[in-house]
Amino acid sequence: GQNIDQPTEMTATEGAIVQINCTYQTSGFNGLFWYQQHAGEAPTFLSYNVLDGLEEKGRFSSFLSRSKGYSYLLLKELQMKDSASYLCAVSGYSTLTFGKGTMLLVSP
Amino acid sequence: DVKVTQSSRYLVKRTGEKVFLECVQDMDHENMFWYRQDPGLGLRLIYFSYDVKMKEKGDIPEGYSVSREKKERFSLILESASTNQTSMYLCASTGPHPGQETQYFGPGTRLLVL
Repeated sequence: GQNIDQPTEMTATEGAIVQINCTYQTSGFNGLFWYQQHAGEAPTFLSYNVLDGLEEKGRFSSFLSRSKGYSYLLLKELQMKDSASYLCAVSGYSTLTFGKGTMLLVSP
Repeated sequence: DVKVTQSSRYLVKRTGEKVFLECVQDMDHENMFWYRQDPGLGLRLIYFSYDVKMKEKGDIPEGYSVSREKKERFSLILESASTNQTSMYLCASTGPHPGQETQYFGPGTRLLVL
């Protein structure tokens, strides 16, 4: 079976740093994706972790620990446009299983 | 850039109607997927396809069927629409090889069944 947990909502202030956690228990694991989804729009790719460790891409970083079934997405220097839903997804044998998403609200 | 397009952004249908949602990708991707997205439930996989004329059930296939006659096009069919199929429908595609796992999504179709 597949079980992916992430917080439902988070709030943060412009310019701050926020960490969105994702824990998973899955029957197959090839890697972990993070997607960003603005309201009414399609998800867009942010990162893909296959190996343990931190991958940095501009203001966004993603971390994976396969032994702990844990990942996080770190957003630095938050901007108002970062207000969106962030989806954690595990790549299994042939498909992706998505978490329910974390709605991030960035306030001035 | 990968481009995935869907036939409609918004659709209103009546209960019992047959509904076709079409998805086209321009990257010669083998794999295509249909999801629905509902508040509090996230993205759930309905059907996917690895190749022309091939289809596999996802997590929630009941009430849906699919068609893949051409590599670039993947259609989702609601044989007899019901109100509980009101949802946002998202199509995605990927390549078949390692390194091509990223799913690219279309803009979505918001379907309302009355």
